[in-house]
Amino acid sequence: DTEVTQTPKHLVMGMTNKKSLKCEQHMGHRAMYWYKQKAKKPPELMFVYSYEKLSINESVPSRFSPECPNSSLLNLHLHALQPEDSALYLCASSQGRGSPLHFGNGTRLTVT
Amino acid sequence: GENVEQHPSTLSVQEGDSAVIKCTYSDSASNYFPWYKQELGKRPQLIIDIRSNVGEKKDQRIAVTLNKTAKHFSLHITETQPEDSAVYFCAARANSGGYQKVTFGTGTKLQVIP
Repeated sequence: DTEVTQTPKHLVMGMTNKKSLKCEQHMGHRAMYWYKQKAKKPPELMFVYSYEKLSINESVPSRFSPECPNSSLLNLHLHALQPEDSALYLCASSQGRGSPLHFGNGTRLTVT
Repeated sequence: GENVEQHPSTLSVQEGDSAVIKCTYSDSASNYFPWYKQELGKRPQLIIDIRSNVGEKKDQRIAVTLNKTAKHFSLHITETQPEDSAVYFCAARANSGGYQKVTFGTGTKLQVIP
């Protein structure tokens, strides 16, 4: 019953594959985020889009490429990933200043 | 940038006892402090938050206190229940225009023993 929907739930990909993670929200939130979470660690911010413009890129390797087609959708394109990129990828959204983050259920990514 | 420290990393309590998790932050510009609960294999969920103009906030069995001078904030859970078992993350955020740059603490794994 989460309001932020992520697909797929699980993804296994080889190091030469290209895949995309998708995130959708219909709460009218104007900020959307990608976080990476390794086991037993806190979420780490990767990218922030505000009003469909990339506002933060936390020095993420270029093999991760975000895209925000419109205010409701956020994609993360993956190419030539490494096994250490295996993690839970969380999408989040917020209304903006003063409002909390709403997380999706995440995509559990395994790179073989 | 902001640095958030969280203690303890693990906490075991008997059902019915209280649990306290403490966090410190470094950036005096931080003005919003949410707490997230993450059950195994699930997403982080906001359980309570506090803003810098408030010293304490309570919601049923959960309370959060903030000491801006000392840059400390704490989560208090009373009458703990087995379903409180999870990893809890504190976080701090400074305003950044239309979005949030939230820095998370390292997490506390809470185990409530029936």
